[in-house]
Amino acid sequence: DQQVKQNSPSLSVQEGRISILNCDYTNSMFDYFLWYKKYPAEGPTFLISISSIKDKNEDGRFTVFLNKSAKHLSLHIVPSQPGDSAVYFCAARGYGGSQGNLIFGKGTKLSVKP
Amino acid sequence: NAGVMQNPRHLVRRRGQEARLRCSPMKGHSHVYWYRQLPEEGLKFMVYLQKENIIDESGMPKERFSAEFPKEGPSILRIQQVVRGDSAAYFCASCRDQGEAFFGQGTRLTVV
Repeated sequence: DQQVKQNSPSLSVQEGRISILNCDYTNSMFDYFLWYKKYPAEGPTFLISISSIKDKNEDGRFTVFLNKSAKHLSLHIVPSQPGDSAVYFCAARGYGGSQGNLIFGKGTKLSVKP
Repeated sequence: NAGVMQNPRHLVRRRGQEARLRCSPMKGHSHVYWYRQLPEEGLKFMVYLQKENIIDESGMPKERFSAEFPKEGPSILRIQQVVRGDSAAYFCASCRDQGEAFFGQGTRLTVV
């Protein structure tokens, strides 16, 4: 039973346009959400996070939106650059004890074309 | 300012041997996660540890796999009697009690 779902395995975007990566979750105990970026043969790199008390967090070209009622979050990258081409993982965690598990989606492979 | 260190980066084992994967968390981090990534798949949670405690091992196979995070020294993921299906990239991440987790570069295990 997947608690964190990324339903699009891949996304292709033109350089300079907006990339929108989506993530859905099922566990209402999750209260902290993170996005990671992963290049082949490397470990995932933390990008941006959001607490459940917020609905938006922005860091440079990256913005994460959280819709708690829909149990949905999205990562916006604007403008997209070829160097953004990577696999993006959404992750969620609860607070305390076993709820502190960091659960990942299966990832979305983003290709930004020049 | 060392990040999460995993070693070895590459490990080759014959079927039936033991594999030991090490993870040194970032300074000040007392929580460690282990994940496995099979080819063309996402990151699958295996185990979540605090120093000297296993918080959640629900993602660990019931047999042959074990993990520890002692008071001193790195966290160890141990796989006994490896089989071909254990071939994967194993990633470790560390964090403080809350907040973002930071990953190591992974250990690529190949079972021949």
